[in-house]
Amino acid sequence: AQRVTQPEKLLSVFKGAPVELKCNYSYSGSPELFWYVQYSRQRLQLLLRHISRESIKGFTADLNKGETSFHLKKPFAQEEDSAMYYCALRGSQGNLIFGKGTKLSVKP
Amino acid sequence: ETGVTQSPTHLIKTRGQQVTLRCSSQSGHNTVSWYQQALGQGPQFIFQYYREEENGRGNFPPRFSGLQFPNYSSELNVNALELDDSALYLCASSFRTGEFSEQFFGPGTRLTVL
Repeated sequence: AQRVTQPEKLLSVFKGAPVELKCNYSYSGSPELFWYVQYSRQRLQLLLRHISRESIKGFTADLNKGETSFHLKKPFAQEEDSAMYYCALRGSQGNLIFGKGTKLSVKP
Repeated sequence: ETGVTQSPTHLIKTRGQQVTLRCSSQSGHNTVSWYQQALGQGPQFIFQYYREEENGRGNFPPRFSGLQFPNYSSELNVNALELDDSALYLCASSFRTGEFSEQFFGPGTRLTVL
């Protein structure tokens, strides 16, 4: 089965604290994984993809095939990082399979 | 270059009615995907259109149907509406060559079924 699990509905941290949003996946084959973000009153947008291995807005994510995980990390959270974050997996039809999302709240 | 647009923004229907949602792709894109996002859930794949043909489908019944037009805009039609169809419907466009590419999302249409 192709599935994405985000175990945390809500993650609340203080500004300047490290952040880790968890994502686990189930996929037979070579997975293609993404993190999407939705800021308040904005549309869903791509944050990063594991293939590009880049850091966007200070966020990074490493694919761990052994643990079937793709956790999103940032060493120092900012208030503007508050948003809904969705982990997604490319399905066999080219579609995206999303987790339920984690709401990140960064307090001042 | 314009982004993905969807209409209408909001819609209220009653059970048993039919609804049509519309999506205009981002300029230059040839593939449109539709997703349903229920409250508190992530988006779920409904189907995808490439060059005016359905090119993939998720676990949705046949009363969910769609079209893609020569200008790559798309419609999602839902017949015999049920209360559980209440959700945010997202359209995403991409430019598909031989490999998959990034999907760009529209703002969504909020459908309420009473």
